[in-house]
Parts: sequence; C-alpha cells; structure tokens
Amino acid sequence: GAVVSQHPSRVICKSGTSVKIECRSLDFQATTMFWYRQFPKQSLMLMATSNEGSKATYEQGVEKDKFLINHASLTLSTLTVTSAHPEDSSFYICSATHRQTLNYGYTFGSGTRLTVV
Amino acid sequence: KNEVEQSPQNLTAQEGEFITINCSYSVGISALHWLQQHPGGGIVSLFMLSSGKKKHGRLIATINIQEKHSSLHITASHPRDSAVYICAVGGSNYKLTFGKGTLLTVNP
Repeated sequence: GAVVSQHPSRVICKSGTSVKIECRSLDFQATTMFWYRQFPKQSLMLMATSNEGSKATYEQGVEKDKFLINHASLTLSTLTVTSAHPEDSSFYICSATHRQTLNYGYTFGSGTRLTVV
Repeated sequence: KNEVEQSPQNLTAQEGEFITINCSYSVGISALHWLQQHPGGGIVSLFMLSSGKKKHGRLIATINIQEKHSSLHITASHPRDSAVYICAVGGSNYKLTFGKGTLLTVNP
C-alpha cells in the first residue's frame, strides 16, 4: 500500500533555531500534501496545504514566514519551523493524497514530535 | 459546535467485547474516513467510505448519508486495538475535518 515516510520522528532543538521535517511518498505521487499540528489530547489542526510546484496555502492564523513549506517534487514535501520557540513544541504530521479515479485516499506520515527548549 | 462529533470520548472494554464508536457530521461530504492513532502518534487510515459498509478483518465501518452518521465496529476486541480512533470527513477541496477522537482501551 501507499507509504509516507516522515523524518525525524523526534527532535529537540534550542529556542531560536530552525528545524526541517521531511515527508516522502515512497511508492506513489503525492499531488497534494497536508501539514497538521496536534497538541496533546486535541484533534489534528490543518496548518497548510501544498500542491506540487505551487506555493502552499496556509490556514488562518498560521504564519507562513515561520512555517515554511516546500513541495518541489511529487515525492517530497518539507516543513521548516524557523526561529522555533517553546510554544512551537507539538506533534507535526503530514498527509499525502494520491488520486485514484474519483476517490482520494490519504496516507499519513508517522509524525514528528518537536520539543523546543 | 464541532462539525464532526464522536462518541464516546473514552471507551474501556474487556478483551473479546464488541465495540462501537459513533460519528456524526453536519456538513456535506465527499467521503468519511476512520483513522487509528497509536500512542506513538502515527496515524493509519482504516477506511474511506462514501456509502454503505466496508469490512476489513475484525473492523467494520458503516455510513448513513441521509442521517449524516457513521459507525466503526470492532469485533472480538483485543488489547492491541487500544488506540485513538478518529473520524474525519472530506469535502470537495480535499481538506479533512477531524473529530476529537475516541480513546479505546481494551483490557486483557
């Protein structure tokens, strides 16, 4: 089945540094990638949607200059948290869609737990 | 009010019990998804359905479009089924709207 590989699974960084999270679709072309953030015991919250070769569309309240998303190829999307602060500590997860006729399946990465100290 | 409501929020069962998790939604959808999130955080897509019923192993998902309601059933539950089960609905723009999840604990 479809697989999305997400790395790293855990990262601890110092406040003010940047962290890059990668999501790769291993056996299909991810036409659209979604990036979510999840706080403890809460639902996934959509941060942005990216289509290959286009600029990402950010949800209201998400700073596009802080959360840089790149989707340069059909198999790779990255999320960079710039100038990270402790309040950015969260679980980040990506999800990719792959078209199957009229149905759109979603494959999720395994998530990245970011801790900013 | 959330667009996707799940019940119950927490569910504890004994191994072997039949389990039902419910999901109601208030928006038009193209498909409904049931997802499983394990303690480590990774999410597995269990079902995507737009009508009727689907079965995979001990898992069964049903949807009633007219009533805007879906159920996830687990037969002969096992401790390894312990996880958070999330209902999500998708619209024409591919975006998913998520329920808050149901934490299932199956005790041996």
